[in-house]
Amino acid sequence: GAVVSQHPSWVICKSGTSVKIECRSLDFQATTMFWYRQFPKQSLMLMATSNEGSKATYEQGVEKDKFLINHASLTLSTLTVTSAHPEDSSFYICSARSYGNSPLHFGNGTRLTVT
Amino acid sequence: AQSVTQLDSHVSVSEGTPVLLRCNYSSSYSPSLFWYVQHPNKGLQLLLKYTSAATLVKGINGFEAEFKKSETSFHLTKPSAHMSDAAEYFCVVSEAAGNKLTFGGGTRVLVKP
Repeated sequence: GAVVSQHPSWVICKSGTSVKIECRSLDFQATTMFWYRQFPKQSLMLMATSNEGSKATYEQGVEKDKFLINHASLTLSTLTVTSAHPEDSSFYICSARSYGNSPLHFGNGTRLTVT
Repeated sequence: AQSVTQLDSHVSVSEGTPVLLRCNYSSSYSPSLFWYVQHPNKGLQLLLKYTSAATLVKGINGFEAEFKKSETSFHLTKPSAHMSDAAEYFCVVSEAAGNKLTFGGGTRVLVKP
């Protein structure tokens, strides 16, 4: 089946630094990728939708200058958390689909801890 | 606009007994509905999906769900719980175009031996 690889699976960084999270579709071309954030014991909240070769569409309340999303190829999207703060600590999950109504495939998530 | 309500934040069952996870939705369009499972510190795995075909949908690991339009419900069931079913379960609805998913709050399932 389709596989989405997310890297790293966990990362610890200091306040003020930037962290990049990668989301790769390993065996299919992902025209659309989604980034979610999940706080402990809560549901997933969509942060942004990225389509290959175009700018990401951010959900209301998500700072696009803080959460930089790049979808430069059909197999890779990156989320960069800039100038991280402890409140950015969370579980970030990506998902990808190849076209229209094709199934969504999720990565295993990245746990970010900002100290 | 679309929304999903999972009626139970926690469900505790004994191994070998039935599991029922309740989900109600609202959608302006003919919805696609999904159930996903998430094990600790993992991504989401699709259990099953409804996309306007048969109202009773069978999924993986013995799970099934029934779409009831009149009740705007999509409850998930399994006849006999296994210890490995202990996880978080999310009911999800998408717009007709299938692009944007809206997640329910999740139901944490505990399976007692």
